[in-house]
Amino acid sequence: ETGVTQSPTHLIKTRGQQVTLRCSSQSGHNTVSWYQQALGQGPQFIFQYYREEENGRGNFPPRFSGLQFPNYSSELNVNALELDDSALYLCASSLARRQGNTEAFFGQGTRLTVV
Amino acid sequence: AQSVTQPDIHITVSEGASLELRCNYSYGATPYLFWYVQSPGQGLQLLLKYFSGDTLVQGIKGFEAEFKRSQSSFNLRKPSVHWSDAAEYFCAVGVSDSGGGADGLTFGKGTHLIIQP
Repeated sequence: ETGVTQSPTHLIKTRGQQVTLRCSSQSGHNTVSWYQQALGQGPQFIFQYYREEENGRGNFPPRFSGLQFPNYSSELNVNALELDDSALYLCASSLARRQGNTEAFFGQGTRLTVV
Repeated sequence: AQSVTQPDIHITVSEGASLELRCNYSYGATPYLFWYVQSPGQGLQLLLKYFSGDTLVQGIKGFEAEFKRSQSSFNLRKPSVHWSDAAEYFCAVGVSDSGGGADGLTFGKGTHLIIQP
């Protein structure tokens, strides 16, 4: 059984650019959630994907978008990067549709720095 | 909307001493509660979870937590800490399954645990 893997591990982008982060969910999991963790803060929920559709969204602007593929892997896309987007981006996979009633397994994260 | 408060930003404990990390939540229904640990530059590892039933839950690495509905608390405890327990600890709440969309987990801001030799 493979765990949640994210790529790349580190990334440096320039303000205004676009970025794509990738996540492979744990084997058998059909739900993927993305979180943003700013330095010194707890993770904040961005959105969740279930069966290739966005299933819930936190308080993030539309320039944060995502995809889920038939194999349940997922991408997080951020357009028009701002300095405040610098953070650790965490992907979590789970089996149930609702995050709250089952375990979420987290990847190691992608550290994004916007300069 | 749900919220989580971890009132202690930093806690320093001597190795071998007992530990209690506080967590208070705000949510209108029965919550699902979690404690995660994060080492520097790493992802989150689940220590334990409460869904229902026995309010005292056992987790990995010798941790336990007690759900107290009357106090809206879910404090994490360990009887004897080890130097390897130094890390960031996050309490999180998830909404109960009532259909519709998902709201994800709501995390507290974390408690940084320092272990003194």
